[in-house]
Amino acid sequence: SQTIHQWPATLVQPVGSPLSLECTVEGTSNPNLYWYRQAAGRGLQLLFYSVGIGQISSEVPQNLSASRPQDRQFILSSKKLLLSDSGFYLCAWRQDSLNTEAFFGQGTRLTVV
Amino acid sequence: ELKVEQNPLFLSMQEGKNYTIYCNYSTTSDRLYWYRQDPGKSLESLFVLLSNGAVKQEGRLMASLDTKARLSTLHITAAVHDLSATYFCAVDDRYNTDKLIFGTGTRLQVFP
Repeated sequence: SQTIHQWPATLVQPVGSPLSLECTVEGTSNPNLYWYRQAAGRGLQLLFYSVGIGQISSEVPQNLSASRPQDRQFILSSKKLLLSDSGFYLCAWRQDSLNTEAFFGQGTRLTVV
Repeated sequence: ELKVEQNPLFLSMQEGKNYTIYCNYSTTSDRLYWYRQDPGKSLESLFVLLSNGAVKQEGRLMASLDTKARLSTLHITAAVHDLSATYFCAVDDRYNTDKLIFGTGTRLQVFP
């Protein structure tokens, strides 16, 4: 069966510090991968998605970036965090874009102080 | 640009009552998904609706899709406290089916 791992679960970082969140999927190959952010009490904002190694589509221009160095690994990064980067970050995967729902990791709660 | 809106944003309802959550989307799509999120937790898939007129039911929840109206509904029958959560719909962007766009969410509270 397929599983998705996301870490860390919680993170407190000072303004201006770098960020690296990692997400890996097991039990499948060539998944579509997604990063979403959820501000407190709000909906899900699509940040990045990837349909293959090295292929990243960005939805929101900001100081975040994403990379997919391996087929089942998706990384969210920032060189310098802002207060506004605080939120709940969720990684998701689905087998392909046709007729399948996405499955989510457990999320990372990021607080920038 | 695909936009997905839900209403109401917040719903407080008494146990035993029925209610419907609405999900409207702005461009043509024939695939829609419903998710549940408990406080502080991740999202759990509830329903996958893949065609016009699709209806799915699980327990006290029933979801339907009308692609012509660009509308999906999530109907709650005889609500119980355990249904308290935030419910999201999500839609595939027809012009870029790799993108999955979520609605604003409906926070449901069921009280005795």
